[in-house]
Amino acid sequence: DADVTQTPRNRITKTGKRIMLECSQTKGHDRMYWYRQDPGLGLRLIYYSFDVKDINKGEISDGYSVSRQAQAKFSLSLESAIPNQTALYFCATSGSSGGETQYFGPGTRLLVL
Amino acid sequence: AQRVTQPEKLLSVFKGAPVELKCNYSYSGSPELFWYVQYSRQRLQLLLRHISRESIKGFTADLNKGETSFHLKKPFAQEEDSAMYYCALMVIQGAQKLVFGQGTRLTINP
Repeated sequence: DADVTQTPRNRITKTGKRIMLECSQTKGHDRMYWYRQDPGLGLRLIYYSFDVKDINKGEISDGYSVSRQAQAKFSLSLESAIPNQTALYFCATSGSSGGETQYFGPGTRLLVL
Repeated sequence: AQRVTQPEKLLSVFKGAPVELKCNYSYSGSPELFWYVQYSRQRLQLLLRHISRESIKGFTADLNKGETSFHLKKPFAQEEDSAMYYCALMVIQGAQKLVFGQGTRLTINP
C-alpha cells in the first residue's frame, strides 16, 4: 500500500552512530506504530502513537525513541546503534475506531556493524 | 499475560493439498484475532479477521474460544500461497494494540 512510506529502505551503520528512520502516511490515520521483525520472533511493537500528542512505549522500547512531528509523520531514532538492533523495521498506521486494520509500510532493513 | 503462539516456524505442503496454519492465543478479555500475510518482496497485509467471518483467497479461520485457537485453513493449496503468515491478537489495555505471533513460513511445493 503506497499510502505508507518509509525512508530509507536500507541502511548500514556503525555501532554508536545515531540513526533516524522515517515514516509518512497519506491515509489520514491518527494511529501510527513502529515494529521490528526478527526471524523466529515475529513482529514486536517498539512504540505507538494515537495522535500527535500521544506517545506510548511498546514491549521493546529500550534503546529507541520516537517523534510524532505531524499526524502524517512518525520517526524512530536509535540514539546509539548497537549490533542487536540489526533487524527489519516496519511502520504501520490505523484508524481510530476499535479493531481497525493496520496498514504497513514496506520496511527498512537496518544493519548495525 | 497476552500471547500469540504459532508453533510451526516452517510448513511445507504440496500444491493441491490442504493447509492448516496453527495459532493459539492467551488473553483474559474478549479476543479479536487477525491473520496477516507477507508475500515475497511485499509488505505485510491483512488477510482476514475473525469478526468478518469471510473467506479470502480460499482461506478461512474460525475462532475456537474453548481451545483458544484461530487456525488458518485452505482446502487446496496453490503455489502463490507461499508466504510468511502472522497471527495477531488485538489487546485492549488502556489502548488498543496488536500482539503478533512468531510467524509461519509456508512453502507450497509444485
